[in-house]
Order: sequence, then C-alpha cells, then structure tokens
Amino acid sequence: SSELTQDPAVSVALGQTVRITCQGDSLRSYYASWYQQKPGQAPVLVIYGKNNRPSGIPDRFSGSSSGNTASLTITGAQAEDEADYYCNSRDSSGNPLFGGGTKLTVL
Amino acid sequence: QVQLQESGPGLVKPSETLSLTCTVSGGSISSYYWSWIRQPPGKGLEWIGYIYYSGSTNYNPSLKSRVTISVDTSKNQFSLKLSSVTAADTAVYYCARVYGYYDSSGYYYANFDYWGQGTLVTVSS
Repeated sequence: SSELTQDPAVSVALGQTVRITCQGDSLRSYYASWYQQKPGQAPVLVIYGKNNRPSGIPDRFSGSSSGNTASLTITGAQAEDEADYYCNSRDSSGNPLFGGGTKLTVL
Repeated sequence: QVQLQESGPGLVKPSETLSLTCTVSGGSISSYYWSWIRQPPGKGLEWIGYIYYSGSTNYNPSLKSRVTISVDTSKNQFSLKLSSVTAADTAVYYCARVYGYYDSSGYYYANFDYWGQGTLVTVSS
C-alpha cells in the first residue's frame, strides 16, 4: 500500500509533550518528513530524514520511526505550534506521498 | 532568500485546461527540481509532479495523463498545465522547490523547502 494515515486531530496542554503519528507500509523502508501548516499559509518543512531540522526550526521538534509508524514529537508545545501537520514520504517508485494531516490544538 | 510566486487564472471552466506559472526570485532555477502541489479546500496535500531545470519530469501516476510541467530557465519560471479539469480539481495550487537527497540505502527523497503562497483555482462554469 502507498498510503499514509494520520489521526485527524490531537490536542496538548500548553508546555506539555505531544506525539503526532503517521502510519503506512512504506514507512518500514523509507523516512518520513513533516510539514507544519498554519491557516491561510503554505506548509513549512519542520523535520526531514532520520531526524533533521531545517534552519530556523526550534529544537522542540523531533522525528522518530518504528516499524510502520513515523512520529513527530513536540516537547514543550507552544501556542504558536497550533497548526495542521502533514507527514510525507515516498512510494516504491520514488513518488512523494502525503498523509491526510493532523490538526493540533494547544490548550 | 528564494521566493516563489504562482500566477494564473483563478477560475477555469470544466473540461478546459488549467494553466499556472511559478516565478522564482532570489535564486536561480538551475540545479534544482521544482514541484507543483495542490490542496483542495479543507483537505490534505497532493503532489502533482516535479521538473528538473533541464526539463526532465516526474508526475503523480493518478494525474499523469492530464499533467504537463515545463520550465523556462531564461525567465526563471516553471509552469503547470492540467487538462480536462472537473470540480474535483478545485484547489489551492502551490509551487515549491524540491530539496532532494539520498539516504544511506540509496533511496531518493523529494522534500519541499521553499513554497509559494499558493493560488486558489476554482473549476466552475
């Protein structure tokens, strides 16, 4: 299968840690990357590869993977982290895939 | 700082061809792959395809029969054409730069590090 599945919504209390997950058969072989999208804005790459952050992304964002599940962890969530998060990987042909997105609410 | 800007009609009639252009500023279009990604209102992201500055392309298999992406290096632009559109093609269309890399196993990944602001294209008569 070349699908990536995410929980539609997740919530976290301000300052706490939250994990956003992405499941798919392709994740057994390939890395996932993660994008943050705030309302009315373009997505922003926050994690790529094994656990790499582009310049300017806070170190409270981290990525991990186990089996068919990739995770984005936000340690000490801030109000500005409230957004939609999309995982992204590839299929066996190298074509990019996106998950359906997770809406993160910071309480 | 690389900037991308989409341009083109915001309204297209069913069965016609959607045409968009992305203008790249603050950097050269050379030596990179460039991509189109879309997002239907209230829904998730869908990769459409990408093009190398030399002109080689790769398209989403689900859209391949209707998509053409081209590049004009002299204008630092690349373009999208999507034919035979229906209401299902209504979406915000983004152009983006591909940040590509190989992992230790030799697998290639296309991530997207610079994005345009997006342009809403509505398919309606």
